[in-house]
Amino acid sequence: KQEVTQIPAALSVPEGENLVLNCSFTDSAIYNLQWFRQDPGKGLTSLLLIQSSQREQTSGRLNASLDKSSGRSTLYIAASQPGDSATYLCAVAPLDSNYQLIWGAGTKLIIKP
Amino acid sequence: KAGVTQTPRYLIKTRGQQVTLSCSPISGHRSVSWYQQTPGQGLQFLFEYFSETQRNKGNFPGRFSGRQFSNSRSEMNVSTLELGDSALYLCASLGLAGSGIEQFFGPGTRLTVL
Repeated sequence: KQEVTQIPAALSVPEGENLVLNCSFTDSAIYNLQWFRQDPGKGLTSLLLIQSSQREQTSGRLNASLDKSSGRSTLYIAASQPGDSATYLCAVAPLDSNYQLIWGAGTKLIIKP
Repeated sequence: KAGVTQTPRYLIKTRGQQVTLSCSPISGHRSVSWYQQTPGQGLQFLFEYFSETQRNKGNFPGRFSGRQFSNSRSEMNVSTLELGDSALYLCASLGLAGSGIEQFFGPGTRLTVL
């Protein structure tokens, strides 16, 4: 059974720092892995989608990597800003799931001005 | 192309009542999935409909049901509401994106059960 873990559960860093959020999954048989952002009381914003055949994806200050063999993904945020404060969720779509997502519990990120 | 829409955005009900939530997928998408998000359990998959048929189902009691219409719009129904049903309910439609198949999420319906 696929399980997704995100470490740390919470992170507080000063503005301007580069940071890494971690996501691990137990079964490498996946279609893809996706990173989302969720602001308090709001819905999900898709940040990056990495297909199983890809190693990384980039969007602006965000870079996500995928190492399927080790069951790990990282989300790198460069030059963090207070507006990056949110909960970041990763989710995987197992191969036997018709693309249904299995979710991590999220990392709550606070960027201090 | 319009995104996934969900109505209503907010809902307040009392225990024992029933509720129906609606989701309209992106035009052309035939798969609609529903997820529940609570502070205690996080995000959990409820069920998925494809071409008016339930294709996948998560581990939720029978009080949670759904259906899909011929235009791919989907409804989710919760009967005999409990306090623990208070949650953000998200729907997603499945379709092709730049690099492959992706789930596209709606803004969610926040249900509060009093």
